[in-house]
Amino acid sequence: LAKTTQPISMDSYEGQEVNITCSHNNIATNDYITWYQQFPSQGPRFIIQGYKTKVTNEVASLFIPADRKSSTLSLPRVSLSDTAVYYCLVVGGSQGNLIFGKGTKLSVKP
Amino acid sequence: NAGVTQTPKFQVLKTGQSMTLQCAQDMNHNSMYWYRQDPGMGLRLIYYSASEGTTDKGEVPNGYNVSRLNKREFSLRLESAAPSQTSVYFCASSGRHSNQPQHFGDGTRLSIL
Repeated sequence: LAKTTQPISMDSYEGQEVNITCSHNNIATNDYITWYQQFPSQGPRFIIQGYKTKVTNEVASLFIPADRKSSTLSLPRVSLSDTAVYYCLVVGGSQGNLIFGKGTKLSVKP
Repeated sequence: NAGVTQTPKFQVLKTGQSMTLQCAQDMNHNSMYWYRQDPGMGLRLIYYSASEGTTDKGEVPNGYNVSRLNKREFSLRLESAAPSQTSVYFCASSGRHSNQPQHFGDGTRLSIL
């Protein structure tokens, strides 16, 4: 199983860029890196997914180095509404091997 | 477009009672999942169904059963509820492959006294 390690919590202020790094040392060749966001009392929501290099969408960017043993989710100019838990997952094998972990609790302050 | 719908949203049971949590998706997804989330914890996979007619155990299947009724519906049953099963239960669905994003419902908050 490709387990992931990410910080338990992070603090930021409105308008700053936030980078959350995830470690996945035993990622397999066919695995993708996927990030989800979860607000209190809601189910997780897909944010972004990538395989290598850089992926950008309207919400975030995902940076993946050549060795793919880590990845960084970048949230530009965060606002209070970005306060949430962010989960990094490595996906690609059996659907039964999806592991969410505890995620990173991001707190954005005014 | 409703996405993934879970019923009920809240439920209180007594130890030993049984109950079925319902989940339905309208995105024509092949795969469906049941997770539980305890306070301060991430989601843990209980059971999943890769396609209609198949179900498989996840990380924490003990005390639960599932039924993939058709392509749209995937139910989770607690035959004899225990206080340790107090949790928030999430249903999700996705396309056929594990690297396709999962879409989650809003959860069922279950308390067992």
